[in-house]
Amino acid sequence: AQKITQTQPGMFVQEKEAVTLDCTYDTSDPSYGLFWYKQPSSGEMIFLIYQGSYDQQNATEGRYSLNFQKARKSANLVISASQLGDSAMYFCAMRDFNAGNMLTFGGGTRLMVKP
Amino acid sequence: DGGITQSPKYLFRKEGQNVTLSCEQNLNHDAMYWYRQDPGQGLRLIYYSQIVNDFQKGDIAEGYSVSREKKESFPLTVTSAQKNPTAFYLCASSIQQGQGGEKLFFGSGTQLSVL
Repeated sequence: AQKITQTQPGMFVQEKEAVTLDCTYDTSDPSYGLFWYKQPSSGEMIFLIYQGSYDQQNATEGRYSLNFQKARKSANLVISASQLGDSAMYFCAMRDFNAGNMLTFGGGTRLMVKP
Repeated sequence: DGGITQSPKYLFRKEGQNVTLSCEQNLNHDAMYWYRQDPGQGLRLIYYSQIVNDFQKGDIAEGYSVSREKKESFPLTVTSAQKNPTAFYLCASSIQQGQGGEKLFFGSGTQLSVL
């Protein structure tokens, strides 16, 4: 069974600094995809970034980058130059391509940006 | 603007009552999903549908029912058999069900509470 682990229930970061949110996953399948979503207090889930298991380079989307370490089964999200609007819950998720293709979510990390 | 609309934003259920959560999308997506989110936890899949008139159980389908009579609509009924229905419910859609890096688009959620 797939499992996604986010070990940091809450984190603080100073505005304008970078922060890394941890995510580890467990799968025996070589074909999978990793996603990060942001959930502000309004409740909706906002897609941030995607990394495929066969992608050679780490994914980047603006201030977001994914530190993908396949051998360690980790897919950490790095947010550069934090902004107050980055305060939210962040969820890591995985899609196992050979196990039903459903998205499985981790428990989330609450990020709080300090002015 | 295209998107997913969930209603109502807040819903209260009495003991023994069935309640229905609405989800409508105008993105022309084939696949739709219902997730449940408990406080401080990640999302768990209740039901999903890949095509009109077809749907599949997710990880926690007991006490819930769905229908998919139209491509745009995927209502979720929380039945009296669901003994712990208090949670935040998120509806999502995607172009196709679980293909590669295809992302899910989410609605803004419905908070269901028991009176």
